[in-house]
Amino acid sequence: ETGVTQTPRHLVMGMTNKKSLKCEQHLGHNAMYWYKQSAKKPLELMFVYSLEERVENNSVPSRFSPECPNSSHLFLHLHTLQPEDSALYLCASSQDWGGEQFFGPGTRLTVL
Amino acid sequence: GQSLEQPSEVTAVEGAIVQINCTYQTSGFYGLSWYQQHDGGAPTFLSYNALDGLEETGRFSSFLSRSDSYGYLLLQELQMKDSASYFCAVGNAGNMLTFGGGTRLMVKP
Repeated sequence: ETGVTQTPRHLVMGMTNKKSLKCEQHLGHNAMYWYKQSAKKPLELMFVYSLEERVENNSVPSRFSPECPNSSHLFLHLHTLQPEDSALYLCASSQDWGGEQFFGPGTRLTVL
Repeated sequence: GQSLEQPSEVTAVEGAIVQINCTYQTSGFYGLSWYQQHDGGAPTFLSYNALDGLEETGRFSSFLSRSDSYGYLLLQELQMKDSASYFCAVGNAGNMLTFGGGTRLMVKP
């Protein structure tokens, strides 16, 4: 238990669906991250928020839309995804935009 | 851009010592981190090196040579529970981590 929770843990969706992934951190951190982990590929940084402002968008397709309403919550809104978007989506947080990152358990996403 | 190279797989026996190497190319460097991930689990932080030298934390040690763009993770007195994937990651000024492909360590009895 790292203090970072993610829901749902598993999600199956069709290409025309709209869904959202939720991340919550209970550590008092002020930076939050979304990563994508596909089989046989390194973890890929998708988005970074520091003090609720997006500071990085790593050329992620617009069908992924992040939202950070406050420093404890992070969402990833999904729409019209492709099968190649199937992956483990990991949320992480850190203090002061540096140092150790604490990861949540991830959401295993399958796009049919 | 940034790229990191680490072996894809390493096998060792219980009680042994194993070293996982990581070489990197980066346009900005603020430190090398190591993370452990068990199958089905989340990555967990192991160590961080910002300066050259060896950092020791229990059975695990991490080394960095910035002039060689090289680091390693050393695991001593291997236990079965150490079977996992190990990732090196380079951080830039904004703690944007770029991860290596991971090394799958299998510990055998």
